[in-house]
Amino acid sequence: EIVLTQSPGTLSLSPGERVTLSCRASQSVTNSYLAWYQQKPGQAPRLLMYGASSRAPGIPDRFSGNGSGTDFTLTISRLEPEDFALYYCQQYGSSPLTFGGGTKVEIK
Amino acid sequence: QVQLVQSGAEVKKPGASVKVSCKASGYTFRNNAMNWVRQAPGQRLEWMGWINVANGNTKYAQSFQGRVTITSDTSANTVYMELSSLTSEDTGIYYCARDVFSSAWPYYFDFWGQGTLVTVSS
Repeated sequence: EIVLTQSPGTLSLSPGERVTLSCRASQSVTNSYLAWYQQKPGQAPRLLMYGASSRAPGIPDRFSGNGSGTDFTLTISRLEPEDFALYYCQQYGSSPLTFGGGTKVEIK
Repeated sequence: QVQLVQSGAEVKKPGASVKVSCKASGYTFRNNAMNWVRQAPGQRLEWMGWINVANGNTKYAQSFQGRVTITSDTSANTVYMELSSLTSEDTGIYYCARDVFSSAWPYYFDFWGQGTLVTVSS
C-alpha cells in the first residue's frame, strides 16, 4: 500500500500569507492520481483538487496543486479566514486508496 | 443539489455488527459509485471500500476484508455499509463519499455524507 506522509503536521500562519503543504508518497502515484481535501471541525471533508493540479468546481483560484511521482504540493496563495482548517491528500492510483495524516493550518 | 444523508449515531457492544445507510438525492444514482471512509479518533482517514451501484461490483480494503459488506438499493437510492465483529478500535465517524465516476475502480470523492458516529463500548 502507498503511504502518504504530509508535512508539516501543523502550520501557524496569518491571513494573507502564502502557504505550501507537502504530501510525499512511499511509491510513485500512478498518473498523478492525487487529490486534496479540506476538513473543518465537525464537518465532512471537501474536495479541493484532483489529478494533482485540477481544481474541483467552485474552489477559488488561490488554491493550486502541483507535483508528480512521489512529491506533491498544495499551495494557497493568500490565506483567507475560511482557509484555516485541516488538509488531507489522497491517492487513487493504487489499491487500497490511502490518505495522508493531514496538515493543520491554524491562525497565528 | 447533491445530498448524501446518513443514518444516525450508533452505540454497539464488542462483537456486534453495525449497518449504516446513506441516502442519495439530487443526481442520477446509477451514474456514480459510492465509497465508505472511516475517521477514527486521532487517526487518518481510512478508505474502507467501494460499490459501483450500477452493477453491484464491490472492492474492499484488505484491512476490512471479511468484516465489511457494502450493498446498494437502487430503488431507494441508498447505499449501506455493514461492519461486523466490532471492537473498540472500530469507534469512529463513518462517511459515505460519492465517487466522481461509475467505473471499475474507485477514484476520488466529490460529495460526502454528514458522517455517522459509531461507538463500540461494553
